[in-house]
Amino acid sequence: AQKITQTQPGMFVQEKEAVTLDCTYDTSDQSYGLFWYKQPSSGEMIFLIYQGSYDEQNATEGRYSLNFQKARKSANLVISASQLGDSAMYFCAMREVDNYGQNFVFGPGTRLSVLP
Amino acid sequence: DAEITQSPRHKITETGRQVTLACHQTWNHNNMFWYRQDLGHGLRLIHYSYGVQDTNKGEVSDGYSVSRSNTEDLPLTLESAASSQTSVYFCATRTGDEQYFGPGTRLTVT
Repeated sequence: AQKITQTQPGMFVQEKEAVTLDCTYDTSDQSYGLFWYKQPSSGEMIFLIYQGSYDEQNATEGRYSLNFQKARKSANLVISASQLGDSAMYFCAMREVDNYGQNFVFGPGTRLSVLP
Repeated sequence: DAEITQSPRHKITETGRQVTLACHQTWNHNNMFWYRQDLGHGLRLIHYSYGVQDTNKGEVSDGYSVSRSNTEDLPLTLESAASSQTSVYFCATRTGDEQYFGPGTRLTVT
């Protein structure tokens, strides 16, 4: 079963506007972590933001914030004041625990296009 | 600066050949991972290692093997390359809650 779901294959946003990228997850662990990564057309994976399952406050990093709703198992990424350079693939990921420690599971990604 | 490198960056090989992709990190991180990235699947875990002599299978490990003889390197071997293994391969290390990715290797199996 898909553990990370990103229902938006592609999104468009006007420059300077805010955009929300959806992510829902599935885990029975009590302790887990949620991440967002950005992959521009150049191909590298860039870490954006992290939210721990026990964190009561939503994580923020500059123009990025994570809207964490634990009961709904959602961890949406909000990008404020979009810039042309924000055009990229965005991946939601979850750190979960297995018998040997921790692993990462990634969603299929959302392609964001910022329009001038 | 500490970093993670992958080589080669691009590789074309024929079906049935053995291929090894290199991953080298200078952070001295114990945790290292190999992922493959395919359209519509995001990144899927192939193998991972939590330290020297430790290797574990991930979600899509069939047809791949890894070895960890030192902290810095985790080479990924395709024993007999198949067209289904055409993909972009990412190596990563992790410390705490942050995971750092290499630049990727684009592998084409013809």
